Amino acid sequence: GENVEQHPSTLSVQEGDSAVIKCTYSDSASNYFPWYKQELGKGPQLIIDIRSNVGEKKDQRIAVTLNKTAKHFSLHITETQPEDSAVYFCAASKSGSNFGNEKLTFGTGTRLTIIP
Amino acid sequence: KAGVTQTPRYLIKTRGQQVTLSCSPISGHRSVSWYQQTPGQGLQFLFEYFSETQRNKGNFPGRFSGRQFSNSRSEMNVSTLELGDSALYLCASSRSSNTGELFFGEGSRLTVL
Repeated sequence: GENVEQHPSTLSVQEGDSAVIKCTYSDSASNYFPWYKQELGKGPQLIIDIRSNVGEKKDQRIAVTLNKTAKHFSLHITETQPEDSAVYFCAASKSGSNFGNEKLTFGTGTRLTIIP
Repeated sequence: KAGVTQTPRYLIKTRGQQVTLSCSPISGHRSVSWYQQTPGQGLQFLFEYFSETQRNKGNFPGRFSGRQFSNSRSEMNVSTLELGDSALYLCASSRSSNTGELFFGEGSRLTVL
């Protein structure tokens, strides 16, 4: 089955600096890669996702890049703010009519702390 | 638009008891998935239901079961509780069974004593 590795497990950055979280996946058939943000006491919230037909996607201060050949994808947060402090999870799955609804396989999470 | 609603939010049980958790998906969403979150194992997939049918199942013992009703609401049940079942149980809904986009609820935190 799919295996997703995520690094680093903890990350501290100064407010205003950029943060990068990296994930690798094992199943070359995976084609959907979402990122979730989980704040204390809450469920994971989808913040951005990318499908395998796209190499990069951006939404304001966050962006995700995908390298299908190397089987890795990354989350980039620019101009970090205190409210960005949370645990971030990457995930991978096969979605689409050929596969039905394959489960999301999650990375182990990155605890991001923004230092004011 | 209301999000995914899970009840109860917190509960405490003792070993050997059983528990039922409830999930109401986002209106219009027909797929419901359940995940277990623990500090040691992270987010682990339990099962997924679409149109009242279990479409996918994770690697959990038979003590973990679920069902989905005609209004897409879902319940999961854990019987003969063990200490290791203490976790945050998350429900996620999706519009269909193959879009991949999951929207999570706040979770039900189960403590087994």
